[in-house]
Amino acid sequence: EAGVTQFPSHSVIEKGQTVTLRCDPISGHDNLYWYRRVMGKEIKFLLHFVKESKQDESGMPNNRFLAERTGGTYSTLKVQPAELEDSGVYFCASSPIRLSSYEQYFGPGTRLTVT
Amino acid sequence: GQQVMQIPQYQHVQEGEDFTTYCNSSTTLSNIQWYKQRPGGHPVFLIQLVKSGEVKKQKRLTFQFGEAKKNSSLHITATQTTDVGTYFCAAVSGYSTLTFGKGTMLLVSP
Repeated sequence: EAGVTQFPSHSVIEKGQTVTLRCDPISGHDNLYWYRRVMGKEIKFLLHFVKESKQDESGMPNNRFLAERTGGTYSTLKVQPAELEDSGVYFCASSPIRLSSYEQYFGPGTRLTVT
Repeated sequence: GQQVMQIPQYQHVQEGEDFTTYCNSSTTLSNIQWYKQRPGGHPVFLIQLVKSGEVKKQKRLTFQFGEAKKNSSLHITATQTTDVGTYFCAAVSGYSTLTFGKGTMLLVSP
C-alpha cells in the first residue's frame, strides 16, 4: 500500500511569492490533515478535511493560507503571498474513518524556505 | 487551546542506558498518542493510550498513561543507536486533531 506522498519535497521562494504544496493521502482515507513544524518548535495543526469538507481550520495562521481538497482525494495548500515566518516543514497526514483509533499516517513533508 | 508540555527537550545517552520522556497536560486528556521522527524523516505512529493508568509495551519501549489522564511517559530500556530520533507525544482532541508536545530529541552514542 502506498503511503502519503507530498510534493515538492523542498521549495525555496522569495518573500511575496506564491507556493502551492500538494498532498496525496493513502487511498481510501477520508481524513486529511495539514501540520507545520517551524524550526525548533512543536508540530502545529493547521486544518482537517473529511473528504472534501473542511472539518476544522482553526489552526490556519491567516488568510494568506488556502487549502483545498476538491473531489475528496488529494489536497493543496497555497501560501500567497509568502512571508519569512512561513518557513518550516509542512506535513500532511491521513487516516481512515474509524471509531476506535485515531492513528495518523504522515507524509514525508515539504520543507519550505522563504527568503 | 490545549497545551501539552514535554520534557526533556534533548537527551544524549550511551548505548545501553535507559531513556524516558514525559508529557504533561493541565487538562484531562481523552487519549494520547506517541510518534517517533527519525532525523530527516516524518512522524511515525507508535502507540495510542486511552485508559486511565494504562501501560503498554512494545519490545524495549514502555508507554504509560497517568491515573488522572493528565500525563504520560515513554521509557526505552537499554537504548540502541536505532532509537535515535525525536519522540513526540500528541493529545487527541476535537475530531481527531492532534496537539503535539515539543518533542524530545534522543541521541545515542555507541
